[in-house]
Amino acid sequence: SQQGEEDPQALSIQEGENATMNCSYKTSINNLQWYRQNSGRGLVHLILIRSNEREKHSGRLRVTLDTSKKSSSLLITASRAADTASYFCATDRGGSEKLVFGKGTKLTVNP
Amino acid sequence: KAGVTQTPRYLIKTRGQQVTLSCSPISGHRSVSWYQQTPGQGLQFLFEYFSETQRNKGNFPGRFSGRQFSNSRSEMNVSTLELGDSALYLCASSEIPSTDTQYFGPGTRLTVL
Repeated sequence: SQQGEEDPQALSIQEGENATMNCSYKTSINNLQWYRQNSGRGLVHLILIRSNEREKHSGRLRVTLDTSKKSSSLLITASRAADTASYFCATDRGGSEKLVFGKGTKLTVNP
Repeated sequence: KAGVTQTPRYLIKTRGQQVTLSCSPISGHRSVSWYQQTPGQGLQFLFEYFSETQRNKGNFPGRFSGRQFSNSRSEMNVSTLELGDSALYLCASSEIPSTDTQYFGPGTRLTVL
């Protein structure tokens, strides 16, 4: 079952611009994670934010979490062509399903 | 450390056959999880193994099974393949059954004809 819904489904920007992707979920969570996937390959863990955290940074990545709205956003600053990939949010609800993934945002960064 | 490895990378089978996929976790990682990724359903959790025991199972039919060996390597098996089983099967490992950070392998692309 899908927990997260990413928005937008697809995003196309120019190199140097910022990219913002959003994720909404339905139930309470322990933490929320963002992953990147390059064209049908494995997922790479980007960042984890716990339910008691509101914002987290890692390099060019900034993640926010609003548990009252059950939503998160991933901001990639100064994007590069190499950032072209699909980005997924995944929630840990502490249940038996381990991580529950959204359907992802496909980001294209044009050189 | 070497990353998570999955074999084979690509597989073509026909309906009714069975298939076994293999996953070798990062050295020292004892928890292995499997996920199925399809365009329609996205990424869905299949099952998780830790110390040779299945800890959790997703909502998949009994045709999907798995096991883990004493060296933490894991296999998953799909019997009586259906067209809808065509997917990318991803394996992820972590040191313990915690979802804090899972390290994913490159996946096995299964095509059922």
